[in-house]
Amino acid sequence: GAGVSQTPSNKVTEKGKYVELRCDPISGHTALYWYRQSLGQGPEFLIYFQGTGAADDSGLPNDRFFAVRPEGSVSTLKIQRTERGDSAVYLCASSPSGGAGSYNEQFFGPGTRLTVL
Amino acid sequence: DAKTTQPNSMESNEEEPVHLPCNHSTISGTDYIHWYRQLPSQGPEYVIHGLTSNVNNRMASLAIAEDRKSSTLILHRATLRDAAVYYCILRDSRGNYGGSQGNLIFGKGTKLSVKP
Repeated sequence: GAGVSQTPSNKVTEKGKYVELRCDPISGHTALYWYRQSLGQGPEFLIYFQGTGAADDSGLPNDRFFAVRPEGSVSTLKIQRTERGDSAVYLCASSPSGGAGSYNEQFFGPGTRLTVL
Repeated sequence: DAKTTQPNSMESNEEEPVHLPCNHSTISGTDYIHWYRQLPSQGPEYVIHGLTSNVNNRMASLAIAEDRKSSTLILHRATLRDAAVYYCILRDSRGNYGGSQGNLIFGKGTKLSVKP
């Protein structure tokens, strides 16, 4: 079946611009996660959605970052006034249900590589 | 902070077994041990998880020490496609370290290189 997809695969923007990154989770998965991965590091948690609501946004670095999931499926990560330090791979993952149950395997998309010039 | 310690890198020869170690000396009784791996230019993928007993699946085996303070991911016959970064992650079945809703907390993992 179809996995998690993310668009675009690459995004190059200029400092100060606004960007949107899209995630299409696996159909029927209620939980959706965004992570950010810098070069040589493991992914770092940003935000978690259970259905339409953001259940945990403690990983968002500042108020320039915002994410939505209006219909409980597709999610968009929005970054305002981009900075060079925002350059990273942004990963999206979904799982059948939320929470930390031991069997909640997360399925990751291929990521969006964001480069801020 | 990541609650696990892994070597930065390891090398293996193709078709030989690989043992990837992970130390988790502060593990609690409700923590499951999960392994994910990340192939080049891809998102992480689930490999295996366990609590106390050794586990086997089609991808790998997980050997857990009796005191649970360490574990080893075993790839029985490494292939070139197994070259990846392998992450050992603890997940509390009641919650999660540093995250209340099941988000994974990744360290730097072990970069496995496989030589033909």
